[in-house]
Amino acid sequence: DQQVKQNSPSLSVQEGRISILNCDYTNSMFDYFLWYKKYPAEGPTFLISISSIKDKNEDGRFTVFLNKSAKHLSLHIVPSQPGDSAVYFCAASRTGGGNKLTFGTGTQLKVEL
Amino acid sequence: DGGITQSPKYLFRKEGQNVTLSCEQNLNHDAMYWYRQDPGQGLRLIYYSQIVNDFQKGDIAEGYSVSREKKESFPLTVTSAQKNPTAFYLCASRSPRLYNEQFFGPGTRLTVL
Repeated sequence: DQQVKQNSPSLSVQEGRISILNCDYTNSMFDYFLWYKKYPAEGPTFLISISSIKDKNEDGRFTVFLNKSAKHLSLHIVPSQPGDSAVYFCAASRTGGGNKLTFGTGTQLKVEL
Repeated sequence: DGGITQSPKYLFRKEGQNVTLSCEQNLNHDAMYWYRQDPGQGLRLIYYSQIVNDFQKGDIAEGYSVSREKKESFPLTVTSAQKNPTAFYLCASRSPRLYNEQFFGPGTRLTVL
């Protein structure tokens, strides 16, 4: 049972344009969401997070939007840069859940020149 | 520099042999986690420990064992009972000051021949 879903396995965007990565979840108990970036053969690095009490969080070029009613979140990267090319994982957790993270399957972003 | 180290980067073992993967952190984090990543899949939680001398099973604990005798160390043993041990293994730790952000090590690629 995949509780966190990233339905687009890959996304290709031109440099300078906006990248939008999507994530859906099914467990209504999730109340904290995170995005990680991962290069091949390396560990994921934390990018940005959002609590369920907010609907938007911004950090430089990265903005995460949360739509609780739709159980959907998205990561916007603008402007996209070639160094952003990586796999992006969405993750979710819930209060009292042992601080465990449930990850999506990832989206491979390719930013082309 | 503070961080999480995993060794070795690549590990080869014969089928039927137990193997132990190392994870060390000098971040003074109480909580530590082990994940497994397979191609096209997200990270799946194997075991986690919120404090020394205590650990809990994650979603895919069968065929694995852990110990947490020291705060800095959380080794994972892949036993011969694990049906498909070949994978990329990631260790993470979490700061109590940050809600649920986990910080990952560089990973160990285990190949069972």
